[in-house]
Amino acid sequence: DAMVIQNPRYQVTQFGKPVTLSCSQTLNHNVMYWYQQKSSQAPKLLFHYYDKDFNNEADTPDNFQSRRPNTSFCFLDIRSPGLGDAAMYLCATSRGLLAGVDTQYFGPGTRLTVL
Amino acid sequence: QKEVEQDPGPLSVPEGAIVSLNCTYSNSAFQYFMWYRQYSRKGPELLMYTYSSGNKEDGRFTAQVDKSSKYISLFIRDSQPSDSATYLCAMGFTGGGNKLTFGTGTQLKVEL
Repeated sequence: DAMVIQNPRYQVTQFGKPVTLSCSQTLNHNVMYWYQQKSSQAPKLLFHYYDKDFNNEADTPDNFQSRRPNTSFCFLDIRSPGLGDAAMYLCATSRGLLAGVDTQYFGPGTRLTVL
Repeated sequence: QKEVEQDPGPLSVPEGAIVSLNCTYSNSAFQYFMWYRQYSRKGPELLMYTYSSGNKEDGRFTAQVDKSSKYISLFIRDSQPSDSATYLCAMGFTGGGNKLTFGTGTQLKVEL
């Protein structure tokens, strides 16, 4: 089945220790997104790639970076995690339609704990 | 004022009840509307989407959009304990940079 895969599902890191979260997709979608979701809150878009074009949200801290080495993979790097970065990180993909409904499909998420 | 407002609940109903989940929005540019279901500690799962005002039905689920009132609803008929989850509304528009604006989600519990 075509899907969005995230690894690891659970990640524990120490305050200030860099961490990388991984996302892969078999949907062959053009767009890949990274969201941060805290308890009882809406997913917050951090950034997205349309093919190789990187689109950063204005309020995303510099501490968060992303890489998309190819169509299938996208990584979220947190350079110096703080306690406030503990959250569920969601990867999503979409076809990138410029007209009509561009539905997003989510992975299972990575729950990040910062000690 | 948030662009999308959604009552966080929790909403508790008995098995078999009809459930109504709602969102209001302020941006008249929104053209398409989605409902996602999110089980605890899992990623959101797309349930339905609509592109215009009116109703769309899929099994026990009906999505309703009233653009004139900026109000959308998701109805669940014959609710089951397996429907217990958080339901997120999301909306977007052509030319919106392929982005969605989400509500905070309504937590639903269907009890035996």
